Amino acid sequence: AQKITQTQPGMFVQEKEAVTLDCTYDTSDPSYGLFWYKQPSSGEMIFLIYQGSYDQQNATEGRYSLNFQKARKSANLVISASQLGDSAMYFCAMRGGTSYGKLTFGQGTILTVHP
Amino acid sequence: EAQVTQNPRYLITVTGKKLTVTCSQNMNHEYMSWYRQDPGLGLRQIYYSMNVEVTDKGDVPEGYKVSRKEKRNFPLILESPSPNQTSLYFCASRLRGTETQYFGPGTRLLVL
Repeated sequence: AQKITQTQPGMFVQEKEAVTLDCTYDTSDPSYGLFWYKQPSSGEMIFLIYQGSYDQQNATEGRYSLNFQKARKSANLVISASQLGDSAMYFCAMRGGTSYGKLTFGQGTILTVHP
Repeated sequence: EAQVTQNPRYLITVTGKKLTVTCSQNMNHEYMSWYRQDPGLGLRQIYYSMNVEVTDKGDVPEGYKVSRKEKRNFPLILESPSPNQTSLYFCASRLRGTETQYFGPGTRLLVL
């Protein structure tokens, strides 16, 4: 079974500063994928970034980067230069290698960006 | 416009009255999924489908049925809804070989 844990129910950051959202995972699959999604107050789910378990480098997408530490089973999201529009719920998720369609989400972290 | 659509967007019903939430995508995606979102629990996968006539259970399939007779459609059926199925439901789709999953706008269901 695969499990995702997000231990920060809420986080606050000042505009223009960087913030790290924590995510740890557990799986017995040798191959897996890790994701981060953003859910603004409007409710839609927005894909942010993906990291494959065999990828050698940490994934980056604009201001988003995924700090992948395989030995520690962590996949933290780093948002650089926070903007007011970054205020949202953020979900970490994992796809197992043996069941390609199955996706497991964490509980989410609410990020609030202060001006 | 490439999108995933869900209908209805909001639904209030009573215990035991069968209902169907439709999901349709126009991107020719092989993979489709249903999730429910509850406060403090994140999103939990109900069912997923890897292609036409191929479906499998997610983490919380009890009380739900799905079918995938056409590639573009993946309806979620609640045969006898109960109040614990009150939730926000999302449909999503993905092209095989890619990792980006596209979500529908969500369906908010209240079962009285």
